[in-house]
Amino acid sequence: GAGVSQSPRYKVAKRGQDVALRCDPISGHVSLFWYQQALGQGPEFLTYFQNEAQLDKSGLPSDRFFAERPEGSVSTLKIQRTQKEDSAVYLCASSLTGWNFLGEQFFGPGTRLTVL
Amino acid sequence: GIQVEQSPPDLILQEGANSTLRCNFSDSVNNLQWFHQNPWGQLINLFYIPSGTKQNGRLSATTVATERYSLLYISSSQTTDSGVYFCAVLQETSGSRLTFGEGTQLTVNP
Repeated sequence: GAGVSQSPRYKVAKRGQDVALRCDPISGHVSLFWYQQALGQGPEFLTYFQNEAQLDKSGLPSDRFFAERPEGSVSTLKIQRTQKEDSAVYLCASSLTGWNFLGEQFFGPGTRLTVL
Repeated sequence: GIQVEQSPPDLILQEGANSTLRCNFSDSVNNLQWFHQNPWGQLINLFYIPSGTKQNGRLSATTVATERYSLLYISSSQTTDSGVYFCAVLQETSGSRLTFGEGTQLTVNP
């Protein structure tokens, strides 16, 4: 596609439910990133994939958060046993390059998660 | 980790006015990007500018990497320029993650 796409755009979950958020990066992009954006703040890094390899997951806030990219294209961010503090916008970004750290990152529209 | 500070935090302009947004960072960086987050939440790429000066229409940006700051200039502002402007930096030592500032909330009134 022309840009990064994410689904669903909005998700409401009851506390304790599991959710899965999907990201389709720009075709051919090697790197894929997940960020979390709280209201009124800048996005914060969660995790990074280069192709199918998860090279950095240091930003994941707890072991309830899990991300995968099994075939090196589409990625899923899963949150188990959601808590109210998980309410945020989850942004996905992709970049053409990986290993030289210089790739421009392009962002999707985000998934707004509300945990009741 | 690296600190990114943006100023001013809020800016209100009349349509047609010019403005300068500033981004200071606490350490050397390999990459710097400016984004506009529109009212629907979409982050739109404005500039990829680790150093030097670039221009795109009414917008231009300058990064002085040795002095650890970047400036975004908006000329002849329009109501559609409203939104939040983010600066984000990347350090090779921190992998490929972008570290964002808190943003500048720009409101352009007709």
